[in-house]
Amino acid sequence: AQTVTQSQPEMSVQEAETVTLSCTYDTSENNYYLFWYKQPPSRQMILVIRQEAYKQQNATENRFSVNFQKAAKSFSLKISDSQLGDTAMYFCAFMKSNFGNEKLTFGTGTRLTIIP
Amino acid sequence: NAGVTQTPKFQVLKTGQSMTLQCAQDMNHEYMSWYRQDPGMGLRLIHYSVGAGITDQGEVPNGYNVSRSTTEDFPLRLLSAAPSQTSVYFCASSYSGLGEAFFGQGTRLTVV
Repeated sequence: AQTVTQSQPEMSVQEAETVTLSCTYDTSENNYYLFWYKQPPSRQMILVIRQEAYKQQNATENRFSVNFQKAAKSFSLKISDSQLGDTAMYFCAFMKSNFGNEKLTFGTGTRLTIIP
Repeated sequence: NAGVTQTPKFQVLKTGQSMTLQCAQDMNHEYMSWYRQDPGMGLRLIHYSVGAGITDQGEVPNGYNVSRSTTEDFPLRLLSAAPSQTSVYFCASSYSGLGEAFFGQGTRLTVV
């Protein structure tokens, strides 16, 4: 079974600064996906960024980037130039890359607050 | 394009009552699933389906039933609600092999 650990329950950072959220996972699989989801107060689950394990290059999406260390089973999210709208709960998640097995395993989340 | 639609958004039940949470998707996704979100525990898988007529249990299935008669719909039934089922429920769908799940907007359920 897979496990996902987010060791930072809460974080806060000043607007315009950079913040890094940590995530580690445990799996015996070689092929899988890793995700960061954002959950603002509206409760909607929003996909922030996605990483395929076979790709060595770290994924980036505008101000969001990841540091994917496959051997260390680490998958951190860096938010640059943080904005007030980044205030949300952030979840790290794991999915095997098997057809028909799209189950997501989530971490417990990190509540991020951007301070004006 | 509506994506994944969940109804209702909010619901209060009395202990012992039954209800069905509705989930519909219009993306022709084979895989659909239900998660519950509790404080400090992230999202946990309740039941999932890999196609019409096929369902299976996830991590926390007790007290819930599902069926999948069509590709589009995947309702979650609470047979006899208990306070421990107070939670936020999410439905998700995905297309096999794409490695991306689409979520509904969630249902906040309170059992008193």
